[in-house]
Amino acid sequence: DQQVKQNSPSLSVQEGRISILNCDYTNSMFDYFLWYKKYPAEGPTFLISISSIKDKNEDGRFTVFLNKSAKHLSLHIVPSQPGDSAVYFCAASKATDMRFGAGTRLTVKP
Amino acid sequence: DVKVTQSSRYLVKRTGEKVFLECVQDMDHENMFWYRQDPGLGLRLIYFSYDVKMKEKGDIPEGYSVSREKKERFSLILESASTNQTSMYLCASSPGLWSSYEQYFGPGTRLTVT
Repeated sequence: DQQVKQNSPSLSVQEGRISILNCDYTNSMFDYFLWYKKYPAEGPTFLISISSIKDKNEDGRFTVFLNKSAKHLSLHIVPSQPGDSAVYFCAASKATDMRFGAGTRLTVKP
Repeated sequence: DVKVTQSSRYLVKRTGEKVFLECVQDMDHENMFWYRQDPGLGLRLIYFSYDVKMKEKGDIPEGYSVSREKKERFSLILESASTNQTSMYLCASSPGLWSSYEQYFGPGTRLTVT
């Protein structure tokens, strides 16, 4: 029972363009949402998060949008850089219960 | 900087062997977690611990046990390794129980059971 879904296993964009990674969840009890980035041979690292009481959070080139009615969140990266190439995991949490999506592999081409 | 270290990056074990995966964090975090990562399934929680000697089952605890004798160390034990336990194992820690606390991950141990 996957409560957090990332339906696109991969995404390829040109350097300088926008990357949009999507995530859907099923449990309306989740109150915090996070994005992690994972490079090969490394553990995931925290990227950006958003509380369920907000609909947008921005940090430099990264913006996360939350649509609670649709149970959908997205991560926008503008402009995309080759160093952003990694696997991105969406996560949703309630207290210690954190659920991860399957990940989306982003490739940014120079 | 928070540092989470795992004892091995790569491990090859035979079916039926007892396997120990060690994880150490240096930031005095209360919570520690063990996940396994498999293609198409993301990260699935095996066990977590919110205090020394305390443990809670995650989504897939079968075939695993854990030990937390010291705050900084959390061990995952495969009592009798099987081929379906071939996976990437990730340890993580976090400072508290609130949803907003991000988790800090170690580099992972890729375990192959033959």
